[in-house]
Amino acid sequence: ELKVEQNPLFLSMQEGKNYTIYCNYSTTSDRLYWYRQDPGKSLESLFVLLSNGAVKQEGRLMASLDTKARLSTLHITAAVHDLSATYFCAVDRRTSGTYKYIFGTGTRLKVLA
Amino acid sequence: SAVISQKPSRDICQRGTSLTIQCQVDSQVTMMFWYRQQPGQSLTLIATANQGSEATYESGFVIDKFPISRPNLTFSTLTVSNMSPEDSSIYLCSAAAYSQETQYFGPGTRLLVL
Repeated sequence: ELKVEQNPLFLSMQEGKNYTIYCNYSTTSDRLYWYRQDPGKSLESLFVLLSNGAVKQEGRLMASLDTKARLSTLHITAAVHDLSATYFCAVDRRTSGTYKYIFGTGTRLKVLA
Repeated sequence: SAVISQKPSRDICQRGTSLTIQCQVDSQVTMMFWYRQQPGQSLTLIATANQGSEATYESGFVIDKFPISRPNLTFSTLTVSNMSPEDSSIYLCSAAAYSQETQYFGPGTRLLVL
């Protein structure tokens, strides 16, 4: 069974600090996705990582993928309050002719002013 | 990207009744999915809505309880049948134009069953 785990589950950090969220998955996948969810809202796509070594950056967020280690990281640089949200990683999987996405446990980030 | 709308946005229902949730995409997409999300939890995939054929359900979800329709490439419905309070949750529709592309999510339907 494909499992996707994130750590930490909860993260409280001061504005201006740096931190990394980790996403580990249990079976082979070449693609990894990051999403953001604000409280009471739906999910917003942040990054799509399509191959080993892929790195994507948008503002204070940078995501990377190591398919050999089955690990993706989401690095936060100089955090600001607006980054407070829950972040999910997801991997995709094709089985028996169907295609689906498996989501991680989520990391709830709170940036303190 | 795709813009997805869902109706209703929220509802309060009585035990034993059924609710149909509609999901409309503004462009043709290959894949549509239905998820359930409890507050503070991750997403649980209910089923993949297949155009022109029966949906593919995940373990723990059955067609009698969650019938799904997908009559074309832009529309799908999820019915929550014979509801109980345990069905209270947020139901999310998502779509992807093709495999290996990111999903786009609808705003969700908040369901409370009394």
